Amino acid sequence: DAGITQSPRHKVTETGTPVTLRCHQTENHRYMYWYRQDPGHGLRLIHYSYGVKDTDKGEVSDGYSVSRSKTEDFLLTLESATSSQTSVYFCAISVEGGNTEAFFGQGTRLTVV
Amino acid sequence: GENVEQHPSTLSVQEGDSAVIKCTYSDSASNYFPWYKQELGKGPQLIIDIRSNVGEKKDQRIAVTLNKTAKHFSLHITETQPEDSAVYFCAASDSGGSNYKLTFGKGTLLTVNP
Repeated sequence: DAGITQSPRHKVTETGTPVTLRCHQTENHRYMYWYRQDPGHGLRLIHYSYGVKDTDKGEVSDGYSVSRSKTEDFLLTLESATSSQTSVYFCAISVEGGNTEAFFGQGTRLTVV
Repeated sequence: GENVEQHPSTLSVQEGDSAVIKCTYSDSASNYFPWYKQELGKGPQLIIDIRSNVGEKKDQRIAVTLNKTAKHFSLHITETQPEDSAVYFCAASDSGGSNYKLTFGKGTLLTVNP
């Protein structure tokens, strides 16, 4: 596996609480991505980063924010978790963005109750 | 932005048969088309990819074909085995802006029956 670590792997949280998921890479890849995976929807892009402090929105960014203060870490924050954000979240990295292989982490299963 | 449609959503085959999964894309400027396999409880992993200057690519029992004119590409798995059972995703590069990201299809659950 590529050097990608997601933490936590599982989390249960209450509606309205803030939640931060962490993605850590040891590959020094420029691009990092957060996806969510839901039945019937496949993989949908939440936010992505193309460098330190350079981030942009994906197709389902509402209710999420991200930060990348150093190359190896990409944080996804749910400011006020809702039940609709119950999902499996995947981090991915790539060398040259959308034109090269993306390596995925093992995923974080988040349940909002 | 790019839109990727994938069919079928589920596919069941007998061991030894072939399986075909098809995808269409909307952006004629997309130039990279990977396929990922996701086993239960794991993240997706690349199994094969193709670029727009190539019509077909093979890797043992797996092949991908690309028709740029029709904007569709397909994954072919021959001599299927139970360990091929997984969810398969196609994707296309998003050429909007700077080719930063991939757009994925919704996935196909392939079941290979022994």
